[in-house]
Amino acid sequence: ETGVTQSPTHLIKTRGQQVTLRCSSQSGHNTVSWYQQALGQGPQFIFQYYREEENGRGNFPPRFSGLQFPNYSSELNVNALELDDSALYLCASSEVAGANVLTFGAGSRLTVL
Amino acid sequence: SQQGEEDPQALSIQEGENATMNCSYKTSINNLQWYRQNSGRGLVHLILIRSNEREKHSGRLRVTLDTSKKSSSLLITASRAADTASYFCATLESGTYKYIFGTGTRLKVLA
Repeated sequence: ETGVTQSPTHLIKTRGQQVTLRCSSQSGHNTVSWYQQALGQGPQFIFQYYREEENGRGNFPPRFSGLQFPNYSSELNVNALELDDSALYLCASSEVAGANVLTFGAGSRLTVL
Repeated sequence: SQQGEEDPQALSIQEGENATMNCSYKTSINNLQWYRQNSGRGLVHLILIRSNEREKHSGRLRVTLDTSKKSSSLLITASRAADTASYFCATLESGTYKYIFGTGTRLKVLA
């Protein structure tokens, strides 16, 4: 059984650029959620995907978008990067949407200069 | 802020002592979970307690839930240096798929 894998682990971008982060869910999991964790804070829910559809979204602007693929892997895209987007981005998968344990990846640390 | 609150924000204890951390949340919940995070890496699930349960044990962990006070506590008994980490509570907001995480308690266990 493989866990959740995320790539890249670290990346540096400049303000205004775009970034794509990738996540492979744990085997047997069909739901993927993305979280943003600023330094010293708890993770904040960005959105969740179930069967390739977004079925929940947190308080993030539309420049944060995502995709889920038929194999349940997922991408998080952020356009027009701002300095405040610097954070650890965490992907979590679960067996079904809601009421289940989340299995997290190690995260992608984004620095925006 | 939509986040819950953990208390204390930081805790430093000696190996072998017990560590207690508290979590308060704001909305009705289906369940509450506790997660551990080492050094800014991914979170690891520790324990889940449902809204109709009051107490749950798992190894050295004991969790309580008081839905009338919208609060939970996590007790780690006989702490070890390897327990040094940040601990977060997470609640599943009723009627949604959104997990809301607290601000975390940074635990340091001194050998």
